Formats: sequence, structure tokens, C-alpha cells
Amino acid sequence: SQQGEEDPQALSIQEGENATMNCSYKTSINNLQWYRQNSGRGLVHLILIRSNEREKHSGRLRVTLDTSKKSSSLLITASRAADTASYFCATAPSGGFKTIFGAGTRLFVKA
Amino acid sequence: EAGVTQSPTHLIKTRGQQVTLRCSPISGHTSVYWYQQALGLGLQFLLWYDEGEERNRGNFPPRFSGRQFPNYSSELNVNALELEDSALYLCASSLALWGNSNQPQHFGDGTRLSIL
Repeated sequence: SQQGEEDPQALSIQEGENATMNCSYKTSINNLQWYRQNSGRGLVHLILIRSNEREKHSGRLRVTLDTSKKSSSLLITASRAADTASYFCATAPSGGFKTIFGAGTRLFVKA
Repeated sequence: EAGVTQSPTHLIKTRGQQVTLRCSPISGHTSVYWYQQALGLGLQFLLWYDEGEERNRGNFPPRFSGRQFPNYSSELNVNALELEDSALYLCASSLALWGNSNQPQHFGDGTRLSIL
């Protein structure tokens, strides 16, 4: 299975609510990244958190990393309809030379 | 700054044909990555090029190949197309540091390949 696996597969919320997506991975990593993909478009890098960091913020985004549990979460606060997209976590395994993407969480934000 | 550009945007081919997809990275980026994304699914890593050399390859058959040119642009070639090759092919670029894996990747909007 994938190195990074997102949960849930899909999430539907109302505008203004918070959205939380989780990512689990299997091996030790150098860093973990979150990306967003709007339908039919390429991925857009959101945030990178290194293995020695536990939390990172960027605007309405908050990412946490728990290396002991091999998991990360992405929180989008005060969601907007424009946040509707697929969100992917991507891990860079220690000693590896490629970034591995999970299958993504599809977020629907209803206006 | 111009982003990653890919061409063509859409392509329709039939089984057995061959296709070449093109990618121009962001200026200053020396690493180029290719991914396959089947409809509604995640990204499957295909190839990584850096400084003109293939650095890593995903679990794809040899009929998937590519190259990187001196100006860091790249081509992905797929021979003997099969129906399951229908997908969005995404190219990404990044700065190259040792290990590469710490650099965010910047994506183009992809080439939508349909096999009839």
C-alpha cells in the first residue's frame, strides 16, 4: 500500500467549519508535505514540515506531525467554498530519493 | 516567474500507438519529475531526472521512458499504448539539493491522455 495514506477519503462540510485531514505513513521520513489539487489541475504545494518539527502554521492551515505515531494532520480553519479540492500528503522517506504521494482526501465545502 | 508548463494539454490516441509528452520546468530548477494520475486516484511516481540523468524510476514497464535535455526540459515517451495508460500525466520541477526529497515540487497542469 501507499507510504502515505490519507483519512478520510472524502469530507463534506459547511462553509465556515473546520476541516481536518489525517495522513499515516510507514517508514521514517525526512519531511512531510501537503499539497492541494483542484479538479483537472496540477498540485499546489501548501506546506512542508520537517521530521524535527511538531507543528507548523500557514494562514488558515495548521499541520501537525507525530513521528512516534507516523502520522500528520492538516487542519483548515474557517473553510471556504474555494477550499473545495483534493488534498494529498507526500512523504520523503529517510535515505530515499523520491517523494511518495498518498491517495488524497477529497474535501467538499458547501456554501 | 513562469510556472511549469506541459504540452499538449489533451491528447487522444489508440492502442498500440506511441506518445511524447513535454515539460518545461521553472527557470533555475534542475530536477524534473513525472507522475501518472488515473481518474480520481493518487499520484504514481514514474521518473525523476536531474542534471540530465535518470535518478529514480517508479514501478512502470520499460515502455515508459523519458529524457532530460541540457536546458532541463523533459520528455516522457510511452510506447505501445494500452487502455490503462489513460490518465493525467503530471510533471513537476524542484530545486536540486542532495537527496532532493526536502524540496517542494511545483507542478504543471498536466497532459490528459485518453486511449481509445
